[in-house]
Amino acid sequence: GENVEQHPSTLSVQEGDSAVIKCTYSDSASNYFPWYKQELGKRPQLIIDIRSNVGEKKDQRIAVTLNKTAKHFSLHITETQPEDSAVYFCAARGGNEKLTFGTGTRLTIIP
Amino acid sequence: GAGVSQTPSNKVTEKGKYVELRCDPISGHTALYWYRQSLGQGPEFLIYFQGTGAADDSGLPNDRFFAVRPEGSVSTLKIQRTERGDSAVYLCASSQSAPTDTQYFGPGTRLTVL
Repeated sequence: GENVEQHPSTLSVQEGDSAVIKCTYSDSASNYFPWYKQELGKRPQLIIDIRSNVGEKKDQRIAVTLNKTAKHFSLHITETQPEDSAVYFCAARGGNEKLTFGTGTRLTIIP
Repeated sequence: GAGVSQTPSNKVTEKGKYVELRCDPISGHTALYWYRQSLGQGPEFLIYFQGTGAADDSGLPNDRFFAVRPEGSVSTLKIQRTERGDSAVYLCASSQSAPTDTQYFGPGTRLTVL
């Protein structure tokens, strides 16, 4: 089955700086890669996703890049703000159609 | 419109007891998923329904876990003879029609087995 690894597990950045979270996956048949943001005690919320037919997608301060050859994808948050502080999860949908999640990155924005 | 809802929000039970967790998906969503999230981990897939049928139940850890969706809308996750290791947040998600569609999560049920 699919295996998703996520790094780093914790990340602290100064407000206004950029944050990058990286994930790798194992199933070459994976074709859908969402990113979820989860605040403490809240539900995971989709912030951006990318499908395997594109290499990059951007939505305001958030962007995701995908390298299918290397089987990795990354989340980029620019001009970080205090409200960006949360746990971020990457996920990959493999050939078995299940979403497999990474172990999460706790992002802290330092004012 | 209304999002995915789950009840109860918290459930405390004793080892060996039976529990039922309920999920109300977004209206019109035919696909429904159950996940389990342990502290400090990402959601772990349990089961996926397409309509009334379980399309994939390969994530259920053992035969103490069972889920139903009799009318293709509300789903109930049932856990028999609960164990302390079952303590986790149980998340439900729904998507419009297929796993390729965006999955929207409910707030989860925090299950604590004493």
